[in-house]
Amino acid sequence: RKEVEQDPGPFNVPEGATVAFNCTYSNSASQSFFWYRQDCRKEPKLLMSVYSSGNEDGRFTAQLNRASQYISLLIRDSKLSDSATYLCVVKQNFGNEKLTFGTGTRLTIIP
Amino acid sequence: EAGVTQSPTHLIKTRGQQVTLRCSPISGHTSVYWYQQALGLGLQFLLWYDEGEERNRGNFPPRFSGRQFPNYSSELNVNALELEDSALYLCASSLVVGGYEQYFGPGTRLTVT
Repeated sequence: RKEVEQDPGPFNVPEGATVAFNCTYSNSASQSFFWYRQDCRKEPKLLMSVYSSGNEDGRFTAQLNRASQYISLLIRDSKLSDSATYLCVVKQNFGNEKLTFGTGTRLTIIP
Repeated sequence: EAGVTQSPTHLIKTRGQQVTLRCSPISGHTSVYWYQQALGLGLQFLLWYDEGEERNRGNFPPRFSGRQFPNYSSELNVNALELEDSALYLCASSLVVGGYEQYFGPGTRLTVT
């Protein structure tokens, strides 16, 4: 079983729609959680950290369910510029700083 | 503020050769990480350096090595290149250990022929 699993998509969504991505992780010792976005042939860029209480940044909302080992990302009012691959990222307890990446979910926003 | 920088941007080598990739972290960041992203695969953790010491390494053979300099910049060395080493090599840096986000450089695209 992969440490971090994501639906690879692709998700093709009309502009203005709401889209949700899910991710599960296998290591219960994981402590930190992130969503990164990666444009084609570019480096990953941090989108947002994910906190236990859930957090929101503009049109983006992230949720964490530790009991189910499940992370989600919701994008509201999607824009063409949201087209990218979204990477679910997990880090174990402090002191083990390696990031474990999911393979990503590809999103295309359709005009 | 300048982000993470990497050099070179592209590199072509032949099998059996050796390569050195370079990374400069964001100013003030002491930790540097190296990741490999092979075509069609997710990012795989390679190495983590902090304060000049190797802190952790991923599941890669010993021909992948590196170091971190006193100014916190870092090098990744790959010896005896194999075709499957062709990938995007990404460097990231973070402020200090302990839950801080990692910020990535643009990567070095290595092609081994």
